[in-house]
Amino acid sequence: AQTVTQSQPEMSVQEAETVTLSCTYDTSENNYYLFWYKQPPSRQMILVIRQEAYKQQNATENRFSVNFQKAAKSFSLKISDSQLGDTAMYFCAFTGGSQGNLIFGKGTKLSVKP
Amino acid sequence: DTGVSQDPRHKITKRGQNVTFRCDPISEHNRLYWYRQTLGQGPEFLTYFQNEAQLEKSRLLSDRFSAERPKGSFSTLEIQRTEQGDSAMYLCASSSRGTAKNIQYFGAGTRLSVL
Repeated sequence: AQTVTQSQPEMSVQEAETVTLSCTYDTSENNYYLFWYKQPPSRQMILVIRQEAYKQQNATENRFSVNFQKAAKSFSLKISDSQLGDTAMYFCAFTGGSQGNLIFGKGTKLSVKP
Repeated sequence: DTGVSQDPRHKITKRGQNVTFRCDPISEHNRLYWYRQTLGQGPEFLTYFQNEAQLEKSRLLSDRFSAERPKGSFSTLEIQRTEQGDSAMYLCASSSRGTAKNIQYFGAGTRLSVL
């Protein structure tokens, strides 16, 4: 079975600092996609960043970057220069190349403190 | 794109009643997904459609749940004989047929409270 594990239920960071959120996953597939989604309080889920498993280069989107370690099945998210608006639940998610649905972790609640 | 739209945003019902939720995907997105999210958890997959065809259903989708996407556009999710355990946020997402087909865009959700 495919699983996604986020081992940090809550984290906090000072504004302008850097924080890293952890995610591990388990799959027997070779072709898959990994995502980080952000869910602000009482607001809808939005995509932060996506990584295709066949790409060795780590994805980056402005202040957000990932450390994708395929052999270790690890997919961490680094947020640089944290901003108050980054306060949210962050979900790591996986989808296999042949399947449609996303499998989510339980989430990490990130609080950015002024 | 106007985004994925869900209606209603909140629904309060009594145990045993039937409820129906609607999802309007981003126009021209051929895939539509339903998820359920309980407090403190990540979303769990319920079912998905490609155009009007329902391609996959989770074991979470009991006989009391039914979903339709009759013309390949909007979708409805009906829960019959609601139970208190059905209280959750029901999320809809859609994705396109193009190279970005694995990116799912989510609606704001319908929060169901069963009393």
